[in-house]
Amino acid sequence: DGGITQSPKYLFRKEGQNVTLSCEQNLNHDAMYWYRQDPGQGLRLIYYSQIVNDFQKGDIAEGYSVSREKKESFPLTVTSAQKNPTAFYLCASSRRGSQNTGELFFGEGSRLTVL
Amino acid sequence: SQQGEEDPQALSIQEGENATMNCSYKTSINNLQWYRQNSGRGLVHLILIRSNEREKHSGRLRVTLDTSKKSSSLLITASRAADTASYFCATGGTSYGKLTFGQGTILTVHP
Repeated sequence: DGGITQSPKYLFRKEGQNVTLSCEQNLNHDAMYWYRQDPGQGLRLIYYSQIVNDFQKGDIAEGYSVSREKKESFPLTVTSAQKNPTAFYLCASSRRGSQNTGELFFGEGSRLTVL
Repeated sequence: SQQGEEDPQALSIQEGENATMNCSYKTSINNLQWYRQNSGRGLVHLILIRSNEREKHSGRLRVTLDTSKKSSSLLITASRAADTASYFCATGGTSYGKLTFGQGTILTVHP
């Protein structure tokens, strides 16, 4: 079945450590996104990528980094510079261009807790 | 920045009743989408309505869009306990996929 796989589902980190969240999709989608969700709130866009080897900052990119070396993969690194990293992180993908219906397909999320 | 604001923040109803959630936004949009999120899970796309559409149906879902008032509503008819979830509206500009989400409505449907 096609879909988006995020790992790990739960992650604990000590302050000062970088962590990388994995996102893999087999939907053959060009565009991929990372959102952050805090309790009781909506989603805020961290980074997005419309094509391999290209990505743009979203609304809250500070303290995060991404790479897009393969179409299928869009890992997110939460660096020690992110002041409040405890959150639920959601990866999504979509078609691009004329085939884009506007719909986002989401993974099941990764919950990061800083101890 | 959060573009959509949803109302109510929480809604509690009995099975069989209808549930209505509202979404307001601030700037011009290309389309408006509704998503559902079960607790601790990812979001699932429910329905998309384009800026030149006024109403759309999908099964027990009915979405309306009033661009003059910059608002949308999601109606779920004959609610079931399995409809218990958070519902989010999301607005899209000229760049498909780069959506801005509201804070969501928590719907609880009691059996």
